[in-house]
Amino acid sequence: DVKVTQSSRYLVKRTGEKVFLECVQDMDHENMFWYRQDPGLGLRLIYFSYDVKMKEKGDIPEGYSVSREKKERFSLILESASTNQTSMYLCASSSRRGRPFREQYFGPGTRLTVT
Amino acid sequence: GENVEQHPSTLSVQEGDSAVIKCTYSDSASNYFPWYKQELGKRPQLIIDIRSNVGEKKDQRIAVTLNKTAKHFSLHITETQPEDSAVYFCAAPYGQNFVFGPGTRLSVLP
Repeated sequence: DVKVTQSSRYLVKRTGEKVFLECVQDMDHENMFWYRQDPGLGLRLIYFSYDVKMKEKGDIPEGYSVSREKKERFSLILESASTNQTSMYLCASSSRRGRPFREQYFGPGTRLTVT
Repeated sequence: GENVEQHPSTLSVQEGDSAVIKCTYSDSASNYFPWYKQELGKRPQLIIDIRSNVGEKKDQRIAVTLNKTAKHFSLHITETQPEDSAVYFCAAPYGQNFVFGPGTRLSVLP
């Protein structure tokens, strides 16, 4: 069974703080993703990575950065948290082996509140 | 880029009735369309997907249909049960990623 875990389920931070959200997957997946989920807006892609040390911007990268130093771990960084970054953050991973477009496996999410 | 619209945004049905959720996409080259279900407080999980070489796929009470000409695909749930209550997301490929629809909140009333 694929497991994608995230470092925190709930997080409360102050405006201006640096925030780290970590995601770990145990299925040797090449692809990893960070999404932001807001009501009525669905899942919006922040950043993704196809390989170690590789990253690509998604639809809403402003205010975020990422790090992928190991294949199983993908971190999302909010350099200076702002209240408009209060949201649910979902990590996902998928395999690139075989057919293109494989199922994405999601983590449980981190609900971040910035005050 | 790809644009995915999803309707309705909310849907209430009586237990035992059918539910249909429709998504439209813009990129005619798109060829893979997954549906994810997210129960309250849980992570999204893939429930069914379809590739463009088929027009319909079924898995027990759920089915997905694809109309490539009209660029839309639909999720059909028959004999709905309370455990079908959730938010459902469709998605279409964009590059190596997906663009997700905004979601449909399905409520199955007992």
